[in-house]
Amino acid sequence: EPEVTQTPSHQVTQMGQEVILRCVPISNHLYFYWYRQILGQKVEFLVSFYNNEISEKSEIFDDQFSVERPDGSNFTLKIRSTKLEDSAMYFCASSEGGEYQPQHFGDGTRLSIL
Amino acid sequence: QKEVEQNSGPLSVPEGAIASLNCTYSDRGSQSFFWYRQYSGKSPELIMSIYSNGDKEDGRFTAQLNKASQYVSLLIRDSQPSDSATYLCAVNGYSGGGADGLTFGKGTHLIIQP
Repeated sequence: EPEVTQTPSHQVTQMGQEVILRCVPISNHLYFYWYRQILGQKVEFLVSFYNNEISEKSEIFDDQFSVERPDGSNFTLKIRSTKLEDSAMYFCASSEGGEYQPQHFGDGTRLSIL
Repeated sequence: QKEVEQNSGPLSVPEGAIASLNCTYSDRGSQSFFWYRQYSGKSPELIMSIYSNGDKEDGRFTAQLNKASQYVSLLIRDSQPSDSATYLCAVNGYSGGGADGLTFGKGTHLIIQP
C-alpha cells in the first residue's frame, strides 16, 4: 500500500539553526500538508500546498516557516532560526484532494531543539 | 476559531465489549469527519471517514454523524487489546480551496482490559 515517507525520523538541532524536514507524498496525491504535535498536545495544522503554492496556512505558520516542492516527488518544510518551542513531532500528510478525501500521514519527524 | 472537543479519558473497556468514543465540533460549515488512531509515539492512522448524517460501518468500526447536534461518534465492537490507543477526531471545513487543514481534537485514550 502506498505511503507517505518522511526523513529524517529524528532531527536534533541547536537553537537558532535552520532545519529542513523532508517528505515524499503518495505519488498520485495532489494536496500536501504539514502538521505538528507538541508532546502531550493535539495535532495542529500548519500549512497546505496545492499546485505549487500554499493553499491555506494557520496562524502558527509565520515567517519562520516555509514550504517547497523542489522536484516532482519531495515536499519540504523549512524552519529558520529554530526556537526551543519548535520541538515537536512534525507530520507530513497527503490526499487526492477535496474536502471529502482523507489525509494520509507519514511516520513523522521528531524535532528536538537544544 | 474551529474547535473539536473530546473526552480525554482514559476510557477503560473490557475485552470483547463495545467501546464508544464521542466528539463535538463547533463549526457548522464542517463537511467531512474523520477518526484516526494514534499509538504512543506514532503517527495518526486513518480508521474511518464520514460525510453524511447517519451511520457508516466498516468491519468492527461504526462511525455516526449528527450534523444538527454537531456530534460524531465511533463505536468499536468486540474490542481487542490491540485497540488500546488514542483516538483522534478530526474535522475538515470547506473554504472552497479544497485543501483545508484538519482540526483535531485532543483525543480519547482508550484502554482495552484483557
